[in-house]
Amino acid sequence: EDKVVQSPLSLVVHEGDTVTLNCSYEVTNFRSLLWYKQEKKAPTFLFMLTSSGIEKKSGRLSSILDKKELFSILNITATQTGDSAIYLCAVYQGGSEKLVFGKGTKLTVNP
Amino acid sequence: EPEVTQTPSHQVTQMGQEVILRCVPISNHLYFYWYRQILGQKVEFLVSFYNNEISEKSEIFDDQFSVERPDGSNFTLKIRSTKLEDSAMYFCASSGLGGQGETQYFGPGTRLLVL
Repeated sequence: EDKVVQSPLSLVVHEGDTVTLNCSYEVTNFRSLLWYKQEKKAPTFLFMLTSSGIEKKSGRLSSILDKKELFSILNITATQTGDSAIYLCAVYQGGSEKLVFGKGTKLTVNP
Repeated sequence: EPEVTQTPSHQVTQMGQEVILRCVPISNHLYFYWYRQILGQKVEFLVSFYNNEISEKSEIFDDQFSVERPDGSNFTLKIRSTKLEDSAMYFCASSGLGGQGETQYFGPGTRLLVL
């Protein structure tokens, strides 16, 4: 069965810390990987990664994909309380329109 | 910034009743999706819809479920005879071109509770 596994499932840090969230996948015919941030409402899009080794960056967030080892990481530097959320990883398979999601990592940033 | 909207935000219903969940996708998008998330579990794909027909559906999307685009803006999910296990958060999403690698933008969800 295809699967997307995120780790850790939860993480508590202090403001200013740097965190690394992991997402590994085993899907047939991998196409791309997406990261979303889910606060109380809609999952909001962060990054889409298609090519190995190319870092995507947005402010304090960055992400990279390793298609050989089948994983991606999401880094957040200088964390703020507003970064507290569930971070979702999802994968597209070729020939399908559906996103396959992991369980998410719940990040709590304490002041 | 354009966003996907969903109504109602919360719905409580009795087992066996029909519910209709509504979504307004981003206006120039062509592909529409429904996902659900049972409490504590993963977000799961239900169905995708393009050009006024279902383009893909999951095993979860059985005969009690249906989708419709009744006009140029709304996209609905109907559950004909709700069961306790249908209690979940239901997310609508839309994308511009759909298919392989297009970003899907999600609405805030409807939390459905079946009693």
